[in-house]
Parts: sequence; structure tokens; C-alpha cells
Amino acid sequence: AQSVTQPDIHITVSEGASLELRCNYSYGATPYLFWYVQSPGQGLQLLLKYFSGDTLVQGIKGFEAEFKRSQSSFNLRKPSVHWSDAAEYFCAVVGSYNTDKLIFGTGTRLQVFP
Amino acid sequence: EAGVAQSPRYKIIEKRQSVAFWCNPISGHATLYWYQQILGQGPKLLIQFQNNGVVDDSQLPKDRFSAERLKGVDSTLKIQPAKLEDSAVYLCASSLFGQSREQYFGPGTRLTVT
Repeated sequence: AQSVTQPDIHITVSEGASLELRCNYSYGATPYLFWYVQSPGQGLQLLLKYFSGDTLVQGIKGFEAEFKRSQSSFNLRKPSVHWSDAAEYFCAVVGSYNTDKLIFGTGTRLQVFP
Repeated sequence: EAGVAQSPRYKIIEKRQSVAFWCNPISGHATLYWYQQILGQGPKLLIQFQNNGVVDDSQLPKDRFSAERLKGVDSTLKIQPAKLEDSAVYLCASSLFGQSREQYFGPGTRLTVT
């Protein structure tokens, strides 16, 4: 069965530091991969997605992610974190080509210190 | 463009009571999803509608949960009777099925069962 693992439950960084959030997936074919962000009391907002093509994907708010098939990973990165980036980040994969069902990881909570 | 609307935003009920949540998707989005997000976990799909038909309800606890999408627009999710373990945020999302597979999420309804 498809699954997503986010090994880091909580990450703390200083404002201006670089960030990498890890995501590993389990899927037999080329997956459709997503990163969503959830601020307190808010719904989920799509940061970026990967379907095919260039393995380095650019998203909103200065985020990027790299798809690495050999490592079954889709890590999210940002070169310089802002205090407003503090939120919960979820990696997700579409369950199969016949459905839009999203399988989410358990999330990584990002805390940013000034 | 208006986003996905949900109401109420918060609800507190006692166990064994019933509760209903409402969702209005983005205009023109044929696909509607209900997710359950328990604290500390990623969202889990409960049910997916394509227009007013059910595509996937494999993880919906049908003995107590029900959902409908009359006229293929807005939707209602009901829990009757509620249990303590139903305490969660219930997220509604919508999408244009088959196009980019991007789901747009509403702000969610936070349910507390006491």
C-alpha cells in the first residue's frame, strides 16, 4: 500500500537559516507528490507538486523540492527561512492513477526563532 | 475566486450526540472530499464525491458517519452518535478531477467530543 513517511516530527530553525524537511514515500510507479502547509486554524495550502519531468520543482513562498526516485524521497527546501514560515508541513502522494485520493504523512511542525 | 467554505468552524458536543458539518466547494469543482485530521496526524480521506456520486468511501465508518452531496454542489457530513475518538478537524476539499490533481482545502471544522 502507498505510504508517506515524514521522519521529523518537529524542527526548529533560526530565522534566515536554511531548511530541509524530509519526505519518503512508498509507491510502485512514478508518484504524484505534493507538499502542503497548514498554519494554525487554517486549511491546507499547496506549496508545490511533482508529476513528471524536471525533478527539481519550484513552489510558492520560495520553497522548492527535489524528487529522487533512487531514494524514494521528495524533500522540501528553502534557502532562508522567515518567521512567517512557522507552520505544519505535510507531504502527500496520490494513491493511484485512477483516483485523486491523497495519502498524507504525519507532518513536520516547523518552529522559527528570531 | 471564492475558496472552499465550511461551517461551523468549531463544535463541542457530548458523546452519543449527533453533529453535522457543511461544505461548499469552489464553483465548478466536480470533485469533493472529506478528510478527518486527528491531532498529531495527517489528514485521512473519509469520502470522495464525483458530482453527486460516491467514488471512494472505504475509510468512512458507515455505522456512525454519513455524507451526502445533493445536486452535486455542497455537501453535508454527519456523525451519529459521536464517540470521543471522533474529536478531530474535519476538512473539506474540492478539485477539478483529472486536471492537475490539485485539491483546494477549506479552513476545517474542529470537533470536540466530551
